[in-house]
Amino acid sequence: GENVEQHPSTLSVQEGDSAVIKCTYSDSASNYFPWYKQELGKRPQLIIDIRSNVGEKKDQRIAVTLNKTAKHFSLHITETQPEDSAVYFCAASKSGGYQKVTFGIGTKLQVIP
Amino acid sequence: KAGVTQTPRYLIKTRGQQVTLSCSPISGHRSVSWYQQTPGQGLQFLFEYFSETQRNKGNFPGRFSGRQFSNSRSEMNVSTLELGDSALYLCASSLSGTSGADTQYFGPGTRLTVL
Repeated sequence: GENVEQHPSTLSVQEGDSAVIKCTYSDSASNYFPWYKQELGKRPQLIIDIRSNVGEKKDQRIAVTLNKTAKHFSLHITETQPEDSAVYFCAASKSGGYQKVTFGIGTKLQVIP
Repeated sequence: KAGVTQTPRYLIKTRGQQVTLSCSPISGHRSVSWYQQTPGQGLQFLFEYFSETQRNKGNFPGRFSGRQFSNSRSEMNVSTLELGDSALYLCASSLSGTSGADTQYFGPGTRLTVL
């Protein structure tokens, strides 16, 4: 089955700096890669996603890149703010008549004011 | 549209008991997935239901079971509770997952504590 590795497990950055979280996946058939943000005590919420026919996607301060050949994808947050502090999960899934999403272990991001 | 809802939000049980958790998906969503979230293990996939059928199952013992009703609401049952079952149980709904991988939307979770 699919295996998703995520690193680092914790990340501290100064406010205004950039943060990068990296994930690798094992199943070359995976074609959908969402990123979720989970604030303390709250539900995971989708912040950005990318499909395998796209190499990069941006949404304001957040961007995701995908390298299908190397089977890795990354989340980039620029100009970090204290409200970006949360746990971020990457995930991988594929089409095929069923919905099974494999999540990374999560990265706890702390933005220091 | 109303989001995914889960009831109850908190549960305290003792070892050996059983528990049933409920999830109501976003209106129009037909796929419901369940996850167990623990601090050291992240989000672990339990199972996924679509049109009242279990389509996929994770690596959990048979004590964990579920079902889905005709209105897409889903329940998850854990029998013979163990201390290690203490976790946040999240459900997520998506449109169908048949034509492609769909975005999942999570509920607030049920915090289960087993004493």
